[in-house]
Amino acid sequence: SQELEQSPQSLIVQEGKNLTINCTSSKTLYGLYWYKQKYGEGLIFLMMLQKGGEEKSHEKITAKLDEKKQQSSLHITASQPSHAGIYLCGADLRGGGNKLTFGTGTQLKVEL
Amino acid sequence: DAGVIQSPRHEVTEMGQEVTLRCKPISGHDYLFWYRQTMMRGLELLIYFNNNVPIDDSGMPEDRFSAKMPNASFSTLKIQPSEPRDSAVYFCASSLGVLGNQPQHFGDGTRLSIL
Repeated sequence: SQELEQSPQSLIVQEGKNLTINCTSSKTLYGLYWYKQKYGEGLIFLMMLQKGGEEKSHEKITAKLDEKKQQSSLHITASQPSHAGIYLCGADLRGGGNKLTFGTGTQLKVEL
Repeated sequence: DAGVIQSPRHEVTEMGQEVTLRCKPISGHDYLFWYRQTMMRGLELLIYFNNNVPIDDSGMPEDRFSAKMPNASFSTLKIQPSEPRDSAVYFCASSLGVLGNQPQHFGDGTRLSIL
């Protein structure tokens, strides 16, 4: 089984709608990183969370790390076609190392 | 600023051939990572370097895979001999400092197809 589970696996929303993607682990998330990937391209770094309860925002995207540091959510407000892509969470599950474990990804499509 | 640069972007070759993937990290970054992405297994870390020295190669699947970093601005991932199951997208990433302080920045990847 995957150490890092993402849900949903795929999502289709209408432009302007809000959406949330979740990233859950059975282990402590010592650091949580959100990336976005477009087909045929590399991963684009979005946000990094480290402290329990931490929340960061950039433009219309907000990411949170829960107090127990085992779940993170990515929320997009008023989605736009430019938000379409695959969202990946990556986590440091060991603490103190440099190894990122990635989730399975969430494919987002935004319809006009 | 230039990001992580990988070459080639696409590679198609026959089984048994040697494949060499190349990466130029972001200038000044002291960590370099090689990942492999497949539909079945997702994104997996193969090996990473710190200051040109391999630190953890536990993700390298077999002895057919090898990686080198002869200097701070260049790294290669080699597969010899290649097999169809090696078909995947290979990413290189670099970071300034350790995880927790700095994020990893990814290149656009090399899409490898072994026939």
